[in-house]
Amino acid sequence: ETGVTQSPTHLIKTRGQQVTLRCSSQSGHNTVSWYQQALGQGPQFIFQYYREEENGRGNFPPRFSGLQFPNYSSELNVNALELDDSALYLCASSSGQASSYEQYFGPGTRLTVT
Amino acid sequence: QKEVEQNSGPLSVPEGAIASLNCTYSDRGSQSFFWYRQYSGKSPELIMSIYSNGDKEDGRFTAQLNKASQYVSLLIRDSQPSDSATYLCAVSKNQAGTALIFGKGTTLSVSS
Repeated sequence: ETGVTQSPTHLIKTRGQQVTLRCSSQSGHNTVSWYQQALGQGPQFIFQYYREEENGRGNFPPRFSGLQFPNYSSELNVNALELDDSALYLCASSSGQASSYEQYFGPGTRLTVT
Repeated sequence: QKEVEQNSGPLSVPEGAIASLNCTYSDRGSQSFFWYRQYSGKSPELIMSIYSNGDKEDGRFTAQLNKASQYVSLLIRDSQPSDSATYLCAVSKNQAGTALIFGKGTTLSVSS
């Protein structure tokens, strides 16, 4: 069974730039959720994708957007990067869209905005 | 009041002791509860899920849930230095498209 994978591992961007982060879900999982984890904090929900559509969204501005592909992999796009966007970005996959399903995290992408 | 609260710690216990980690939540509509372990610089790893009042055991780990008191805990028996990590409590409402709501985590340090 293949676990959740994410790329890249680390990324350094300049304020105002755009970034795309990628996630492949665990085999058999059809739902992907994205979280942002700032240092010393718990993960915060950005949005969830199910059947290629955004299925729920947290308190993040529209410059955070995403996609899900037919193979259930997903992308997180962030436009007009701000210094506060520096964080660990986590992708989690689950076998259903309800939040009762167990979510399994990938290794994360560490984004630094300078 | 924060949605999910945990003592930040650090909680220090000697090797072989029982570590008790606590979590309270504010939303009475919460139905599912999860414990994750996060080593420094790594991503969260699911340890336990619990959905009904009472205890759920898995190896050295026991999760306890009391919905009336809005309280969930994790006991780690025979603590090992390898258990030293941050433990995150997460709760959810079982609705499609809703999030896991995380606490800030409790840092556990097990000394040998």
